[in-house]
Amino acid sequence: KQEVTQIPAALSVPEGENLVLNCSFTDSAIYNLQWFRQDPGKGLTSLLLIQSSQREQTSGRLNASLDKSSGRSTLYIAASQPGDSATYLCAVNTDKLIFGTGTRLQVFP
Amino acid sequence: DAGVIQSPRHEVTEMGQEVTLRCKPISGHDYLFWYRQTMMRGLELLIYFNNNVPIDDSGMPEDRFSAKMPNASFSTLKIQPSEPRDSAVYFCASSSLAGGPIDTQYFGPGTRLTVL
Repeated sequence: KQEVTQIPAALSVPEGENLVLNCSFTDSAIYNLQWFRQDPGKGLTSLLLIQSSQREQTSGRLNASLDKSSGRSTLYIAASQPGDSATYLCAVNTDKLIFGTGTRLQVFP
Repeated sequence: DAGVIQSPRHEVTEMGQEVTLRCKPISGHDYLFWYRQTMMRGLELLIYFNNNVPIDDSGMPEDRFSAKMPNASFSTLKIQPSEPRDSAVYFCASSSLAGGPIDTQYFGPGTRLTVL
């Protein structure tokens, strides 16, 4: 059974820091891995999707890497801003999405 | 594009009552997903449809839950009778046929259900 774990569960940092959020999964038989952002009381917004054949994807200040063989992905956030404060969820796609429990990020001025 | 639309946004009901949640997917999307999010279990897939046909309902917790998709632009998730442990946020998501369930999913804002 596929299990997805995210570390840390919560993170509080000052503005401007570079951050790394971690995601691990137990079964490497995935189609892709997605990172989502969830704001309080809101739905999920897709940030990055990495296909199983890819190693990384970049969007602005966000960079996500995937090491399928070791069952790991990282989301790197450069020069964090207070507007980055949210919960970040990773999900592996095995014909359906299986989500991790998320990392709650707070960036303070 | 209005995105995925869900209604109601909040629902408070008493135990034993029937609850119906509604979803309108993004026009042109052929896959529709229902998820439930709780503090204890996180975000879980309940059921998904392809071209209005249920493909995988293995996540539906019990017979009190049912979902329908009568046409390409509308789906319902019904709980009858509701119980306090059904309290959660229910999300609907849709994706396009091109990538199917392995493509990017677009989520609605969710319905926060409270069963007293």
